[in-house]
Amino acid sequence: QKEVEQDPGPLSVPEGAIVSLNCTYSNSAFQYFMWYRQYSRKGPELLMYTYSSGNKEDGRFTAQVDKSSKYISLFIRDSQPSDSATYLCAMSALGNTDKLIFGTGTRLQVFP
Amino acid sequence: EAQVTQNPRYLITVTGKKLTVTCSQNMNHEYMSWYRQDPGLGLRQIYYSMNVEVTDKGDVPEGYKVSRKEKRNFPLILESPSPNQTSLYFCASSLSVSGGRYEQFFGPGTRLTVL
Repeated sequence: QKEVEQDPGPLSVPEGAIVSLNCTYSNSAFQYFMWYRQYSRKGPELLMYTYSSGNKEDGRFTAQVDKSSKYISLFIRDSQPSDSATYLCAMSALGNTDKLIFGTGTRLQVFP
Repeated sequence: EAQVTQNPRYLITVTGKKLTVTCSQNMNHEYMSWYRQDPGLGLRQIYYSMNVEVTDKGDVPEGYKVSRKEKRNFPLILESPSPNQTSLYFCASSLSVSGGRYEQFFGPGTRLTVL
């Protein structure tokens, strides 16, 4: 079993939809949770960062962490065609923050 | 502009022909890392370096070498490439911070094909 599981998609939604992306994990030592966005033919770029449990909002993006269920989510409100990309979750443990464990990524397509 | 650069961006080679993929960052980051990205497997760490002259194995180090002689450069060396090393490779760097916020910055990727 992989440490981090992520549905690969693809997920196809109309413009303006609310998108929910999710990851589950098995290692209870993970404390830092990140979402990276990767456009085609580009490197990943950090989108959201959360420490421990709770919610974090940044514009149209909300990251949620539920440590009791070992489940993290990224919500995108009012999705735009420019949001079309692959979204990767990543996690690391306290005391080993440089070691990122990535999900396989979910490909999202937002059509006009 | 703060960035991580990789060269070459695309490379087709043959089995056994030694190659080097260069990585350079201009952000004075201590930490640098190499990943490979494969369909269905995601990003997997090959090697990482916490600082100059300090390197360590990641999850999939077999068949790769690295060196860190200068802070800004972290080349990936394939001494005898094989077809199973055909992949998309990313270099990344970050400030090495114990706890607290940090961000790994990724290069644009190198697509390697080994025939």
